[in-house]
Amino acid sequence: NAGVTQTPKFRVLKTGQSMTLLCAQDMNHEYMYWYRQDPGMGLRLIHYSVGEGTTAKGEVPDGYNVSRLKKQNFLLGLESAAPSQTSVYFCASSIHRDRLTDTQYFGPGTRLTVL
Amino acid sequence: GENVEQHPSTLSVQEGDSAVIKCTYSDSASNYFPWYKQELGKRPQLIIDIRSNVGEKKDQRIAVTLNKTAKHFSLHITETQPEDSAVYFCAARSGSSNTGKLIFGQGTTLQVKP
Repeated sequence: NAGVTQTPKFRVLKTGQSMTLLCAQDMNHEYMYWYRQDPGMGLRLIHYSVGEGTTAKGEVPDGYNVSRLKKQNFLLGLESAAPSQTSVYFCASSIHRDRLTDTQYFGPGTRLTVL
Repeated sequence: GENVEQHPSTLSVQEGDSAVIKCTYSDSASNYFPWYKQELGKRPQLIIDIRSNVGEKKDQRIAVTLNKTAKHFSLHITETQPEDSAVYFCAARSGSSNTGKLIFGQGTTLQVKP
């Protein structure tokens, strides 16, 4: 049981390049989330998904797209990277909120630098 | 939408002393308040959480209190140890939303001096 995993762990991009970050969970969780973490700003929600085939915008969605084609995977895409997207990206998942526990479990993070 | 403010941003205590971190939230419909600990270079991990039908919850040296009227909640760590040094985040989830979304505070860097 690996929990929540993210690939890659590190990436350096040039301005204008594109990339996809992969999040995978093996806990059969319904809900998945993408956050970015910047110094002094906590964790800010980019996009989230409440089930396979569904996605929605969070607090800071501009410049990002997501897809949830399979329940266990949640992909975050940057179509044209900008230096402002330099950050640490965390994926998280949780079981359906009607259950007794709705803890969000985080992946190990991806450190992205855009030059 | 929900807004969560966290204070202080940094906190330095002597080993064995207590540490208190406070958060306020804006949405009166919020009903779930977790606290996460993040060690340097690691992922955030849940350390304790509280729901709106409970005023206080304790787990060994860690306790959380909730004041729904004032819309604030606090993390209390007693008998601090060097391994408690980390960044702590509070969060709130709105009860009016069926998305499970959490809004996080800005984080508190706790340093415990041996």
